[in-house]
Amino acid sequence: GAGVSQSPSNKVTEKGKDVELRCDPISGHTALYWYRQSLGQGLEFLIYFQGNSAPDKSGLPSDRFSAERTGGSVSTLTIQRTQQEDSAVYLCASSPSGRIGETQYFGPGTRLLVL
Amino acid sequence: LAKTTQPISMDSYEGQEVNITCSHNNIATNDYITWYQQFPSQGPRFIIQGYKTKVTNEVASLFIPADRKSSTLSLPRVSLSDTAVYYCLVGVEAAGNKLTFGGGTRVLVKP
Repeated sequence: GAGVSQSPSNKVTEKGKDVELRCDPISGHTALYWYRQSLGQGLEFLIYFQGNSAPDKSGLPSDRFSAERTGGSVSTLTIQRTQQEDSAVYLCASSPSGRIGETQYFGPGTRLLVL
Repeated sequence: LAKTTQPISMDSYEGQEVNITCSHNNIATNDYITWYQQFPSQGPRFIIQGYKTKVTNEVASLFIPADRKSSTLSLPRVSLSDTAVYYCLVGVEAAGNKLTFGGGTRVLVKP
């Protein structure tokens, strides 16, 4: 079946602009995660959605970052007034139920470059 | 979260066995040990997970000593396509199943 998909694959924007990044999780997966990976670094957790529960936003670096998940499926990560330090690869992952230690399936990521 | 330490990089040749050791001295009783693989321009991919002793699947083996303070990922007979970054993860935050990746080990397989 289809894996996690993300769009766009690449995004170049100017400082101060808003961007929206989209994630389509694996069908039927109730848990969805957003991570950020800066060049040559490990992953940084951003936000987690599990079913209809309130999202865990504890990893969002500032109030310029927000995310929503509509209908328990597609998610959008929005970055307002982008800064150069926001340049990174934004990865989305999903897992069947969000059980602790459950394998997470990652999308290919969106490469964001803020000029 | 238990902190992990693994080598920054290692080189190997096609057909050789690659062993990557990860130290996790502060591992908790309930923590599992998980390894992910990441190719350039792709998201990480789950390789293997274990709790103790040895786990083997079609891709790799994971060796965990009795004290669980370290683990070794073993990739048998690597090929050029095994060139990737390998991440060792121990435990996840109970609330949110958050994964925390360190810098990983960059494995370069040479012909």
